[in-house]
Amino acid sequence: QKEVEQNSGPLSVPEGAIASLNCTYSDRGSQSFFWYRQYSGKSPELIMFIYSNGDKEDGRFTAQLNKASQYVSLLIRDSQPSDSATYLCAVNSDSNYQLIWGAGTKLIIKP
Amino acid sequence: GAVVSQHPSWVICKSGTSVKIECRSLDFQATTMFWYRQFPKQSLMLMATSNEGSKATYEQGVEKDKFLINHASLTLSTLTVTSAHPEDSSFYICSASTHLQTSGQETQYFGPGTRLLVL
Repeated sequence: QKEVEQNSGPLSVPEGAIASLNCTYSDRGSQSFFWYRQYSGKSPELIMFIYSNGDKEDGRFTAQLNKASQYVSLLIRDSQPSDSATYLCAVNSDSNYQLIWGAGTKLIIKP
Repeated sequence: GAVVSQHPSWVICKSGTSVKIECRSLDFQATTMFWYRQFPKQSLMLMATSNEGSKATYEQGVEKDKFLINHASLTLSTLTVTSAHPEDSSFYICSASTHLQTSGQETQYFGPGTRLLVL
Protein backbone atom coordinates (compact mmCIF):
# COMPACT_ATOMS: atom_id res chain seq x y z
CA GLN A 1 0.00 0.00 0.00
CA LYS A 2 1.57 3.24 -1.15
CA GLU A 3 1.10 5.98 1.40
CA VAL A 4 1.74 9.67 1.79
CA GLU A 5 1.72 11.06 5.32
CA GLN A 6 1.19 14.62 6.46
CA ASN A 7 0.54 16.14 9.85
CA SER A 8 -3.06 17.28 9.74
CA GLY A 9 -2.38 20.36 11.87
CA PRO A 10 -3.57 22.96 12.25
CA LEU A 11 -0.16 24.56 12.03
CA SER A 12 -0.27 28.09 13.35
CA VAL A 13 2.43 30.51 12.22
CA PRO A 14 2.71 34.25 12.91
CA GLU A 15 2.58 36.58 9.94
CA GLY A 16 6.02 37.20 8.45
CA ALA A 17 7.52 33.97 9.79
CA ILE A 18 8.52 30.87 7.85
CA ALA A 19 5.94 28.12 7.59
CA SER A 20 7.36 24.62 7.22
CA LEU A 21 5.18 21.81 5.93
CA ASN A 22 6.37 18.24 5.80
CA CYS A 23 5.39 15.10 3.94
CA THR A 24 6.73 11.55 3.92
CA TYR A 25 6.03 8.84 1.38
CA SER A 26 6.36 5.09 1.44
CA ASP A 27 7.17 4.16 -2.16
CA ARG A 28 10.91 4.50 -2.74
CA GLY A 29 10.29 4.35 -6.48
CA SER A 30 8.30 7.59 -6.49
CA GLN A 31 9.33 9.95 -9.26
CA SER A 32 7.56 13.26 -8.91
CA PHE A 33 6.27 15.28 -6.00
CA PHE A 34 3.70 18.02 -5.85
CA TRP A 35 2.37 20.59 -3.43
CA TYR A 36 -1.17 21.83 -3.90
CA ARG A 37 -2.93 24.53 -1.94
CA GLN A 38 -6.65 24.23 -1.25
CA TYR A 39 -8.67 27.09 0.17
CA SER A 40 -11.85 26.20 2.01
CA GLY A 41 -14.61 25.41 -0.48
CA LYS A 42 -12.29 25.58 -3.48
CA SER A 43 -10.47 23.03 -5.60
CA PRO A 44 -6.73 22.33 -5.23
CA GLU A 45 -4.28 24.65 -6.95
CA LEU A 46 -0.79 23.50 -7.95
CA ILE A 47 1.87 25.65 -6.35
CA MET A 48 5.09 23.64 -6.64
CA PHE A 49 6.47 20.46 -8.12
CA ILE A 50 9.88 18.88 -7.66
CA TYR A 51 11.57 15.87 -9.21
CA SER A 52 15.22 16.07 -8.20
CA ASN A 53 16.87 15.91 -4.80
CA GLY A 54 17.55 19.27 -3.27
CA ASP A 55 15.76 22.59 -3.17
CA LYS A 56 13.56 24.32 -5.70
CA GLU A 57 12.59 27.92 -5.14
CA ASP A 58 9.69 29.87 -6.62
CA GLY A 59 9.10 33.27 -5.09
CA ARG A 60 8.29 32.84 -1.40
CA PHE A 61 7.96 29.07 -1.79
CA THR A 62 10.75 26.51 -1.56
CA ALA A 63 10.21 22.80 -2.06
CA GLN A 64 12.80 20.42 -0.65
CA LEU A 65 13.17 16.78 -1.66
CA ASN A 66 15.22 14.10 0.03
CA LYS A 67 14.68 10.77 -1.71
CA ALA A 68 17.02 8.87 0.61
CA SER A 69 14.89 9.83 3.60
CA GLN A 70 11.66 9.77 1.58
CA TYR A 71 10.41 13.16 2.55
CA VAL A 72 9.43 16.31 0.79
CA SER A 73 8.80 19.65 2.43
CA LEU A 74 7.44 23.05 1.54
CA LEU A 75 8.73 26.26 3.09
CA ILE A 76 6.77 29.47 2.85
CA ARG A 77 8.80 32.56 3.65
CA ASP A 78 7.29 35.83 4.86
CA SER A 79 3.98 34.10 5.56
CA GLN A 80 0.86 36.11 4.80
CA PRO A 81 -2.70 35.64 6.09
CA SER A 82 -3.65 34.77 2.49
CA ASP A 83 -1.42 31.70 2.78
CA SER A 84 -3.89 30.23 5.27
CA ALA A 85 -5.19 27.10 3.55
CA THR A 86 -4.82 23.34 3.51
CA TYR A 87 -1.64 22.19 1.78
CA LEU A 88 -1.79 18.84 0.04
CA CYS A 89 1.26 16.75 -0.74
CA ALA A 90 0.94 14.40 -3.72
CA VAL A 91 3.33 11.80 -5.07
CA ASN A 92 3.39 10.09 -8.44
CA SER A 93 5.08 6.79 -9.05
CA ASP A 94 2.73 4.98 -11.41
CA SER A 95 2.71 4.84 -15.14
CA ASN A 96 -1.01 5.66 -15.12
CA TYR A 97 -0.22 9.13 -13.79
CA GLN A 98 -2.31 8.75 -10.65
CA LEU A 99 -1.27 10.78 -7.65
CA ILE A 100 -1.13 9.38 -4.15
CA TRP A 101 -2.45 12.10 -1.85
CA GLY A 102 -1.65 13.07 1.69
CA ALA A 103 -4.57 14.11 3.87
CA GLY A 104 -3.31 17.70 3.93
CA THR A 105 -1.98 20.07 6.56
CA LYS A 106 -4.13 23.00 7.59
CA LEU A 107 -2.00 26.13 7.86
CA ILE A 108 -3.16 29.20 9.76
CA ILE A 109 -1.20 32.43 9.47
CA LYS A 110 -1.98 34.72 12.40
CA PRO A 111 -1.84 38.48 11.74
CA GLY B 1 -1.58 28.11 -19.31
CA ALA B 2 -2.96 24.77 -18.03
CA VAL B 3 -6.51 25.94 -17.39
CA VAL B 4 -9.26 23.44 -16.65
CA SER B 5 -12.92 24.39 -16.57
CA GLN B 6 -15.93 22.61 -15.11
CA HIS B 7 -19.58 23.15 -15.75
CA PRO B 8 -21.83 23.64 -13.94
CA SER B 9 -20.24 25.04 -10.80
CA TRP B 10 -23.39 24.44 -8.78
CA VAL B 11 -26.29 22.09 -9.29
CA ILE B 12 -29.33 21.34 -7.17
CA CYS B 13 -31.54 18.48 -8.27
CA LYS B 14 -34.31 16.23 -7.04
CA SER B 15 -33.62 12.72 -5.88
CA GLY B 16 -33.77 10.25 -8.76
CA THR B 17 -32.64 12.59 -11.49
CA SER B 18 -29.36 12.40 -13.40
CA VAL B 19 -26.76 15.13 -13.45
CA LYS B 20 -24.02 15.63 -16.02
CA ILE B 21 -20.80 17.48 -15.19
CA GLU B 22 -18.38 18.59 -17.90
CA CYS B 23 -14.63 18.97 -17.53
CA ARG B 24 -12.59 20.70 -20.21
CA SER B 25 -8.90 21.43 -20.59
CA LEU B 26 -8.94 24.82 -22.28
CA ASP B 27 -5.38 25.35 -23.48
CA PHE B 28 -3.85 21.89 -23.61
CA GLN B 29 -4.64 18.33 -24.55
CA ALA B 30 -4.95 16.11 -21.51
CA THR B 31 -3.20 12.78 -21.43
CA THR B 32 -5.54 11.60 -18.74
CA MET B 33 -8.42 13.07 -16.77
CA PHE B 34 -9.35 12.22 -13.21
CA TRP B 35 -12.57 12.58 -11.24
CA TYR B 36 -12.49 13.21 -7.51
CA ARG B 37 -15.10 13.64 -4.83
CA GLN B 38 -14.65 15.54 -1.61
CA PHE B 39 -17.02 15.63 1.35
CA PRO B 40 -16.86 18.56 3.80
CA LYS B 41 -13.67 18.62 5.86
CA GLN B 42 -12.47 15.39 4.29
CA SER B 43 -9.66 14.48 1.93
CA LEU B 44 -9.89 14.23 -1.83
CA MET B 45 -11.10 10.83 -2.91
CA LEU B 46 -10.23 9.59 -6.39
CA MET B 47 -13.26 8.12 -8.10
CA ALA B 48 -11.95 7.19 -11.53
CA THR B 49 -9.21 7.65 -14.11
CA SER B 50 -10.23 8.41 -17.66
CA ASN B 51 -8.31 8.20 -20.92
CA GLU B 52 -9.63 9.47 -24.23
CA GLY B 53 -11.35 6.79 -26.25
CA SER B 54 -11.22 4.08 -23.63
CA LYS B 55 -13.26 2.96 -20.66
CA ALA B 56 -12.65 4.67 -17.37
CA THR B 57 -10.89 2.85 -14.55
CA TYR B 58 -12.91 3.10 -11.35
CA GLU B 59 -11.54 2.98 -7.82
CA GLN B 60 -12.69 0.27 -5.48
CA GLY B 61 -16.10 1.02 -4.04
CA VAL B 62 -17.14 3.43 -6.81
CA GLU B 63 -20.14 2.16 -8.77
CA LYS B 64 -19.39 2.48 -12.47
CA ASP B 65 -23.07 2.17 -13.41
CA LYS B 66 -23.93 5.06 -11.14
CA PHE B 67 -21.06 7.35 -12.07
CA LEU B 68 -20.83 7.22 -15.86
CA ILE B 69 -17.70 8.70 -17.37
CA ASN B 70 -17.33 9.57 -21.01
CA HIS B 71 -14.02 10.84 -22.36
CA ALA B 72 -14.92 11.93 -25.87
CA SER B 73 -11.82 13.91 -26.76
CA LEU B 74 -8.43 14.96 -25.44
CA THR B 75 -10.02 18.09 -23.99
CA LEU B 76 -13.39 16.90 -22.67
CA SER B 77 -14.53 14.39 -20.08
CA THR B 78 -18.01 14.14 -18.58
CA LEU B 79 -19.24 12.59 -15.36
CA THR B 80 -22.92 11.67 -15.13
CA VAL B 81 -24.35 10.92 -11.72
CA THR B 82 -27.31 8.69 -12.51
CA SER B 83 -30.36 8.47 -10.26
CA ALA B 84 -28.79 10.83 -7.77
CA HIS B 85 -29.68 10.52 -4.10
CA PRO B 86 -28.99 12.83 -1.15
CA GLU B 87 -25.92 10.81 -0.16
CA ASP B 88 -24.38 11.73 -3.54
CA SER B 89 -24.33 15.37 -2.50
CA SER B 90 -20.68 16.36 -2.57
CA PHE B 91 -18.01 18.49 -4.23
CA TYR B 92 -16.96 16.86 -7.50
CA ILE B 93 -13.62 17.93 -8.92
CA CYS B 94 -11.94 16.94 -12.14
CA SER B 95 -8.29 17.22 -13.02
CA ALA B 96 -6.46 16.97 -16.31
CA SER B 97 -2.98 15.62 -16.65
CA THR B 98 -0.45 16.94 -19.11
CA HIS B 99 3.17 16.25 -19.91
CA LEU B 100 5.27 19.26 -19.06
CA GLN B 101 8.03 19.78 -21.61
CA THR B 102 10.10 21.69 -19.07
CA SER B 103 10.41 18.70 -16.79
CA GLY B 104 9.34 15.67 -18.77
CA GLN B 105 6.84 14.81 -16.06
CA GLU B 106 3.06 14.47 -15.91
CA THR B 107 1.33 17.16 -13.87
CA GLN B 108 -2.34 17.40 -12.83
CA TYR B 109 -4.30 20.63 -13.01
CA PHE B 110 -7.67 20.91 -11.34
CA GLY B 111 -10.96 22.35 -12.45
CA PRO B 112 -12.82 24.65 -10.06
CA GLY B 113 -15.20 21.87 -8.97
CA THR B 114 -18.94 21.27 -9.08
CA ARG B 115 -20.99 21.38 -5.94
CA LEU B 116 -23.91 18.94 -6.15
CA LEU B 117 -26.87 19.06 -3.79
CA VAL B 118 -29.49 16.36 -4.14
CA LEU B 119 -32.78 17.09 -2.38
